[in-house]
Amino acid sequence: KAGVTQTPRYLIKTRGQQVTLSCSPISGHRSVSWYQQTPGQGLQFLFEYFSETQRNKGNFPGRFSGRQFSNSRSEMNVSTLELGDSALYLCASSSAYRGPNTEAFFGQGTRLTVV
Amino acid sequence: KQEVTQIPAALSVPEGENLVLNCSFTDSAIYNLQWFRQDPGKGLTSLLLIQSSQREQTSGRLNASLDKSSGRSTLYIAASQPGDSATYLCADAGGTSYGKLTFGQGTILTVHP
Repeated sequence: KAGVTQTPRYLIKTRGQQVTLSCSPISGHRSVSWYQQTPGQGLQFLFEYFSETQRNKGNFPGRFSGRQFSNSRSEMNVSTLELGDSALYLCASSSAYRGPNTEAFFGQGTRLTVV
Repeated sequence: KQEVTQIPAALSVPEGENLVLNCSFTDSAIYNLQWFRQDPGKGLTSLLLIQSSQREQTSGRLNASLDKSSGRSTLYIAASQPGDSATYLCADAGGTSYGKLTFGQGTILTVHP
């Protein structure tokens, strides 16, 4: 069974540009969550999607957005990149929104560097 | 607002030692508690999931316990090996917050031969 796949693994972008990151969850998983990891702030929740609907959102500016497709694949977009957006972006998938099977499985992450 | 704290921030032990990593949380209304390991520059690997109705879970040399009344979880690693060196993170899945895990800052474990 394939794990969570994130593409690309590495990205270098210039300030002011925008970027799109992709996450393919484990087959059958309908919930996809996104996190930002930085040395100073640790892991911070961005948003969660379930069946193409955003159900939860963290405290990030509107420059951070996401979406989920009918096959559960998800993308997140960051517009007008800032130096502080440099981070490891992780996505996680789980099989149910609530209940016994809510174990979260993470991808390898996308390392974004903004210069 | 749930806050998760992990102690110690870093731990260095000789190979073969048994060790305990601690995780505390402020809101006892957790849904489940999950432990992860993270190798440098990599994603998170799920180690153990403890549901709120459970007291502990075991997988190989790992045992995790959960005490909701005291707001604590511990991860016990038996007979540590150099390959166990990594950052260990605990995370709370709040019962009313869809898909959101609240993470501690992690414990950096180094097991030296």
